[in-house]
Amino acid sequence: AQSVTQLGSHVSVSEGALVLLRCNYSSSVPPYLFWYVQYPNQGLQLLLKYTTGATLVKGINGFEAEFKKSETSFHLTKPSAHMSDAAEYFCAVSDRGNTDKLIFGTGTRLQVFP
Amino acid sequence: NAGVTQTPKFQVLKTGQSMTLQCAQDMNHEYMSWYRQDPGMGLRLIHYSVGAGITDQGEVPNGYNVSRSTTEDFPLRLLSAAPSQTSVYFCASSSTGGSYEAFFGQGTRLTVV
Repeated sequence: AQSVTQLGSHVSVSEGALVLLRCNYSSSVPPYLFWYVQYPNQGLQLLLKYTTGATLVKGINGFEAEFKKSETSFHLTKPSAHMSDAAEYFCAVSDRGNTDKLIFGTGTRLQVFP
Repeated sequence: NAGVTQTPKFQVLKTGQSMTLQCAQDMNHEYMSWYRQDPGMGLRLIHYSVGAGITDQGEVPNGYNVSRSTTEDFPLRLLSAAPSQTSVYFCASSSTGGSYEAFFGQGTRLTVV
């Protein structure tokens, strides 16, 4: 069965600092991988996804993630945090092509301090 | 540009009451799903549908029913509400067309007392 582990339920950074949110997955076959962001009292919005091709994927708002098969990881990074990045971030995995069923990690709440 | 619309946004139920959470999408997506979000547990799949007339159970289906009579609508029914069903519920839809992006509604915050 697939699973997703997000290390760190809370991450705090200063404005302008590097953001690193960790995600490891477990899957018997290479899955599709996603990062979603949730702002307070809102639904989830797709940040970026890996399906096939280039393992470094760029998303919205300056975020990017790298699929590392050997490490079963899909960590999310942003070189310079902005106050508006404060939100909860979810890593998710699905079977290839079956986006009707997403398996989510437990989420990481990002705080950005001035 | 409505996307995925959930109603109501907030609801308080008494234990034992039943209700239906509504979800509608206007993107002609084949796939629709219901998730519940609980603190520290992320989102967990309740039920999903790959098309009209086809539904299946997810990770936490007990106490919930669904049906999919049209492509647009995917209601979630709570048969006899329990305090353990206090949660935020999200409906999502996605296409088989290759974008692999699930679009989420704004959520329904349900409290069972």
